[in-house]
Amino acid sequence: EVQLLESGGGLVHPGGSLRLSCAASGFTLKNNAMTWVRQTPRKGLDWVSVIGTADVDTFYADSVKGRFTISRDSSKNTLYLQMNNLGAEDTAIYFCARFSIGTGRRYFDPWGQGTLVTVSS
Amino acid sequence: IQLTQSPSFLSASVGDRVTITCRASQGISSVLAWYQEKAGKAPKLLIYSASTLQSGVPSRFSGSGSGTDFTLTISSLQPEDFATYYCLQLSTYPLTFGGGTKVEIK
Repeated sequence: EVQLLESGGGLVHPGGSLRLSCAASGFTLKNNAMTWVRQTPRKGLDWVSVIGTADVDTFYADSVKGRFTISRDSSKNTLYLQMNNLGAEDTAIYFCARFSIGTGRRYFDPWGQGTLVTVSS
Repeated sequence: IQLTQSPSFLSASVGDRVTITCRASQGISSVLAWYQEKAGKAPKLLIYSASTLQSGVPSRFSGSGSGTDFTLTISSLQPEDFATYYCLQLSTYPLTFGGGTKVEIK
């Protein structure tokens, strides 16, 4: 069964850093593009970042570019999101998901259960 | 690319036919997906490639459109369909979601 399990969320002060993890099972992470999406009551769903099948292929939302870094460890089959210089606007539930890309087909599925990040003093 | 969903909120009854629209600020061919979101749960994929029903999703859900205008239709609303719905364009980076449509019980 394909599963994703996020961890690493928590309370962090403004300007602080946090690293989220997303452990994959049932499939090989390095053979798939992956994404991070966040959710807030105010903004709804907000795309954050994508890493392609090649680790050098990374893409970011303008709001996180230069502060967040997506990466993966193939030996651990785990995806990461390093978040630096966090602000209150980064408070959200963060989800990882597999980014399926094929002929005439692009979508995020499956998703993990999410991890809550709260930025507050 | 901006995605504008309408309405942002709708009140409907069980059995109603519901249509949600999503307009892209520029053409995205058919590279659009629809998701259902419920509190405390991960978003659920309903439709991809604008009109392809994801496996396991009830046939009362359907999608249509291409270019800039898209619709999600629920042919007969069921109690478990009360949720928030989002469109997502996967054509061009940065990827973007619509603002969401909350479907509530009338």
